Amino acid sequence: NAGVTQTPKFQVLKTGQSMTLQCAQDMNHEYMSWYRQDPGMGLRLIHYSVGAGITDQGEVPNGYNVSRSTTEDFPLRLLSAAPSQTSVYFCAVSRTGGNTEAFFGQGTRLTVV
Amino acid sequence: GEDVEQSLFLSVREGDSSVINCTYTDSSSTYLYWYKQEPGAGLQLLTYIFSNMDMKQDQRLTVLLNKKDKHLSLRIADTQTGDSAIYFCAEVSNSGYALNFGKGTSLLVTP
Repeated sequence: NAGVTQTPKFQVLKTGQSMTLQCAQDMNHEYMSWYRQDPGMGLRLIHYSVGAGITDQGEVPNGYNVSRSTTEDFPLRLLSAAPSQTSVYFCAVSRTGGNTEAFFGQGTRLTVV
Repeated sequence: GEDVEQSLFLSVREGDSSVINCTYTDSSSTYLYWYKQEPGAGLQLLTYIFSNMDMKQDQRLTVLLNKKDKHLSLRIADTQTGDSAIYFCAEVSNSGYALNFGKGTSLLVTP
């Protein structure tokens, strides 16, 4: 039982490049979220999804796109990477949103140069 | 996490008690959480408290909730070096679908 799997674990991008951060879960939970973690800033919500086909913006959505075509997967796309997007990205899943335990992936450390 | 406040650092000696404090703003949050992050890892749920409770005890952990002051604390008894980590306080977001996190408190336990 893998839980929440994020790939890749590390990535270096050049400014302007695009990439997709993958998040996959085998917990059959409806709610999935992407957070970024920056030093001294805690975790900030980028986008979230309450089920397949439904996504919404969080606190810091600019520069990121998401889609949710299946329950299992919730990819995060950077269309044109900027140095300000250097961060550690975490995917989280929960059964019914904020009132249930959130399970986190191990994170993707992204550096944009 | 702009509305959830925590102190950033705490250092204690092994065997002492640690107390990590948090203030939150959303009085309607039904649950309040403490998550633990070890180096290089994701966050793991440590404990939580339901909003109609004042205290919850779970082995070495004690959570106190003061709803009037919107103050939450986590006490770790007999702190061990393995407790060294970052501890995040979190409330349910306004949407109800995600969490608002504090900036995290780095706990350092020295022998």
